[in-house]
Amino acid sequence: AQSVTQLGSHVSVSEGALVLLRCNYSSSVPPYLFWYVQYPNQGLQLLLKYTSAATLVKGINGFEAEFKKSETSFHLTKPSAHMSDAAEYFCAVSHRGGGNKLTFGTGTQLKVEL
Amino acid sequence: GAVVSQHPSWVICKSGTSVKIECRSLDFQATTMFWYRQFPKQSLMLMATSNEGSKATYEQGVEKDKFLINHASLTLSTLTVTSAHPEDSSFYICSARVRQGLENYEGYTFGSGTRLTVV
Repeated sequence: AQSVTQLGSHVSVSEGALVLLRCNYSSSVPPYLFWYVQYPNQGLQLLLKYTSAATLVKGINGFEAEFKKSETSFHLTKPSAHMSDAAEYFCAVSHRGGGNKLTFGTGTQLKVEL
Repeated sequence: GAVVSQHPSWVICKSGTSVKIECRSLDFQATTMFWYRQFPKQSLMLMATSNEGSKATYEQGVEKDKFLINHASLTLSTLTVTSAHPEDSSFYICSARVRQGLENYEGYTFGSGTRLTVV
């Protein structure tokens, strides 16, 4: 079984401030981990993914995430928030090798204030 | 990169009618597609997994006769909401599994979603 837990359904930051969105996973086998962003009435866009290579993963738009096995975490960060980062963010997990289906977290709504 | 085109982006239909949503893989062959439903301000709920040329696998609690999935070719999967009712109003998103790279890693690409409103 696999699951992800996103702590904080809503996160609010000031423009220019650090963005930290939390994700913890549970998986009985080595996982693939993903962060997706969703803008209103749109599909999901991949920000970054962890596939067992480097534990620090850099993605698009200045986002990065670090896989920490000891903490079963895959938190998403960005050093400086921009207004355009305001969106819904989803963490997801799947299994390695078998192409298993994605399991999504409940999502975190990021608000960026001036 | 792998692109999935989903149509229509929005549709309004009368209660009791059927609506078909299409997802096409534009530049790759999608042997497996996933159909999700998303309620407002909630996460994506997997409805079913479709494999080209075979019957779809539905998640527990999803009505097979209500949500008909067809994956007749490697580039097209369709979801038909039959006898739609207002409670079927939702945002539906398809996703395709994409094989990538030397690791044989399989990623996922998503359609842009369909907003269904049943009146």
